[in-house]
Amino acid sequence: AQTVTQSQPEMSVQEAETVTLSCTYDTSESDYYLFWYKQPPSRQMILVIRQEAYKQQNATENRFSVNFQKAAKSFSLKISDSQLGDAAMYFCAYRSAVKAAGNKLTFGGGTRVLVKP
Amino acid sequence: DAGVIQSPRHEVTEMGQEVTLRCKPISGHDYLFWYRQTMMRGLELLIYFNNNVPIDDSGMPEDRFSAKMPNASFSTLKIQPSEPRDSAVYFCASSLGWGASNYGYTFGSGTRLTVV
Repeated sequence: AQTVTQSQPEMSVQEAETVTLSCTYDTSESDYYLFWYKQPPSRQMILVIRQEAYKQQNATENRFSVNFQKAAKSFSLKISDSQLGDAAMYFCAYRSAVKAAGNKLTFGGGTRVLVKP
Repeated sequence: DAGVIQSPRHEVTEMGQEVTLRCKPISGHDYLFWYRQTMMRGLELLIYFNNNVPIDDSGMPEDRFSAKMPNASFSTLKIQPSEPRDSAVYFCASSLGWGASNYGYTFGSGTRLTVV
């Protein structure tokens, strides 16, 4: 079974600065998808960014970008120009591209991001 | 689209009582997932359905938990009898097909369950 590990329980960043969240995963598969979800205090799970394992190019969505290192099984999220609204829990998630493995998102334990004004 | 709708948003019940959580997926989505979130265990997949059929219920913790999807627009998660350790936030999510799931799921706002 795949596992997803987020080693940083909490990260603090000054407004307008950059913060990087770490995520590692364990899998024997070669084709899969990786996601970062944001959970603000409202509890809503919001998809921030996704990455296809077969693509070498790192995904970017506005101020959010990832550093995908397939060999190292690492998938970090960088938040640039941090804003107060970025304060939330961030979850890394894995999904197999193999249909036989089932349609499941496996989540890491989460990292809480605090933004200081 | 109204998104995935869960009810109630909060539920407080006494130990031993039956609890029913409800979910309405996005119209046309053929996958429906139930997740549980706790501080200790994080986000866990309990069960998921495809075209109203349960596909994987290996995450359901005990026989006290049951889930149904009588039609494409409604699902329930029932706990009977409830125990304090069932206190958690329960999320429902849906997805449009296998391929669309590559783009992630749409989550509801969750139900916070407190069993006293």
